[in-house]
Amino acid sequence: EPEVTQTPSHQVTQMGQEVILRCVPISNHLYFYWYRQILGQKVEFLVSFYNNEISEKSEIFDDQFSVERPDGSNFTLKIRSTKLEDSAMYFCASYMRYEQFFGPGTRLTVL
Amino acid sequence: GQQVMQIPQYQHVQEGEDFTTYCNSSTTLSNIQWYKQRPGGHPVFLIQLVKSGEVKKQKRLTFQFGEAKKNSSLHITATQTTDVGTYFCAGVISNFGNEKLTFGTGTRLTIIP
Repeated sequence: EPEVTQTPSHQVTQMGQEVILRCVPISNHLYFYWYRQILGQKVEFLVSFYNNEISEKSEIFDDQFSVERPDGSNFTLKIRSTKLEDSAMYFCASYMRYEQFFGPGTRLTVL
Repeated sequence: GQQVMQIPQYQHVQEGEDFTTYCNSSTTLSNIQWYKQRPGGHPVFLIQLVKSGEVKKQKRLTFQFGEAKKNSSLHITATQTTDVGTYFCAGVISNFGNEKLTFGTGTRLTIIP
């Protein structure tokens, strides 16, 4: 069964450093999303991406964040200068019909 | 902005007892989805409800969508240890196919064997 994959599974970084989180969505899906989940809290929408551009973003998704689909398969989330409060689980999801398929997540720890 | 609340936040039940979680949206929804997240795992889609007053069943799980399309519930009959996890509702306001999910606050279910 096709699945969304994410790398790395865990990323530790120093405050102020740039990180890139990678996702490979399911191949024939057209909509892609990033969500984050701070430990013990709800899942929060960050950004949606369609047709090689952002279709919607939340107030969390400020100028420090960017997304890209550099080739036909990868979907990346970049955080330019990480802050302590960026520590969270980041989930990528791809969408077909009405179901969103979530990847296993990348746990980002900012020290 | 849109808010989606769930109650209760936590629920501990004896194995075999029933469980219900309730979801309320501040705005009318196009549809509502339910996800289950096991401890340490990622959200996994359970079901989507679209129509006002809709009721759907999946084995021991019963899902309802309110008449006003602002609330929903998930009921599990005779819980089993495999039901452990956090159940999230996610409200959707469709925007030309862009289905942004606004997740509820979740209900964490633990089962006492």
